Amino acid sequence: GAVVSQHPSRVICKSGTSVKIECRSLDFQATTMFWYRQFPKQSLMLMATSNEGSKATYEQGVEKDKFLINHASLTLSTLTVTSAHPEDSSFYICSARVIGGDEQYFGPGTRLTVT
Amino acid sequence: RKEVEQDPGPFNVPEGATVAFNCTYSNSASQSFFWYRQDCRKEPKLLMSVYSSGNEDGRFTAQLNRASQYISLLIRDSKLSDSATYLCVVNSPGRRALTFGSGTRLQVQP
Repeated sequence: GAVVSQHPSRVICKSGTSVKIECRSLDFQATTMFWYRQFPKQSLMLMATSNEGSKATYEQGVEKDKFLINHASLTLSTLTVTSAHPEDSSFYICSARVIGGDEQYFGPGTRLTVT
Repeated sequence: RKEVEQDPGPFNVPEGATVAFNCTYSNSASQSFFWYRQDCRKEPKLLMSVYSSGNEDGRFTAQLNRASQYISLLIRDSKLSDSATYLCVVNSPGRRALTFGSGTRLQVQP
């Protein structure tokens, strides 16, 4: 149980394009999902909290117009990196919180490379 | 001061050794505690929750000391496959996201 999928697992795109990453909870419902970014050999950094049916909550320093989050259902959240630049290249990981619990289960991550 | 602090390591231990990691947290109101494991270039995976009375799962034992605000993880009879980064994770009241420590790297050597 508590499986989270993420798609795509790897993407290479050109500077200036937009990339959409999907995060799905496969066997449970999640009113709250989270988006993290991790640069090589660094800690997980929380970018935003995705709330089903309402606006996402962004962490300080994260541009909401650049990282668009949509949480349209209890099992799907999407992150769109708009007008991507090479400095956006990173490992993006989503997680979902089980309703009624504190545990978070992570998707396998998306490795984004912007050329 | 960071909300969750861990020694980054690396801890280099031989197979079969016992190794312990500690972690301190700053918010005395925190209620939920976890250890996650992250392999290189992979996502974090929940290893175990940490309960007030302490808990054990096979070779892994987790302890919580609320008075001193620290959490520990003990790994007995280390295996090569235990090599990973261990993340200490705490909930922060008022925040839905868990707070992650920066991790302690363990390298088990043959």
